[in-house]
Amino acid sequence: SQQGEEDPQALSIQEGENATMNCSYKTSINNLQWYRQNSGRGLVHLILIRSNEREKHSGRLRVTLDTSKKSSSLLITASRAADTASYFCATGVYGNKLVFGAGTILRVKS
Amino acid sequence: DVKVTQSSRYLVKRTGEKVFLECVQDMDHENMFWYRQDPGLGLRLIYFSYDVKMKEKGDIPEGYSVSREKKERFSLILESASTNQTSMYLCASSLLSGRYNEQFFGPGTRLTVL
Repeated sequence: SQQGEEDPQALSIQEGENATMNCSYKTSINNLQWYRQNSGRGLVHLILIRSNEREKHSGRLRVTLDTSKKSSSLLITASRAADTASYFCATGVYGNKLVFGAGTILRVKS
Repeated sequence: DVKVTQSSRYLVKRTGEKVFLECVQDMDHENMFWYRQDPGLGLRLIYFSYDVKMKEKGDIPEGYSVSREKKERFSLILESASTNQTSMYLCASSLLSGRYNEQFFGPGTRLTVL
């Protein structure tokens, strides 16, 4: 069952602009994670936010979590061509499993 | 750095063949996972294992089995490959301890069943 749903499905921006991706989920979680996937490769972990946190930063990444709305957003500031990838949110509900969304395809044009 | 390796990047098999996908991790992680990834569907969990010889079904286990004889190795088996199993297969591992564990992924195996 798919827990997270990303929005938009695809996003195209110019280098230097900010990119915002959203994730909505359906049930209570204990953490939410964002991953990046370059074309045809495995996923790479970007950032984890716990259910009792509201905002977290890592370099050019900013993640917010609103548990009342069951939603999260990932902001990439000052985007670069190298940020072109698919981005997935994943929710941790219980145990050590994660449930992934369908992803947002980000294209950064130089 | 954690390294998760998968035996093949690309694989082409025929309908009815038995297919083995191998995954090895070098960081002594207890948990290992097999996912398949299809366009528009994201990653779906096939099986996972939290210890040697232990396994649990994920969301889509039908047509698959797994084997974990050693802690570092987790194999996915397609007993009789079918065309609807054409997909990208991703292996991942994570630590068992703690409640907030990131997963480390291998590069993926793109399987085509003809």
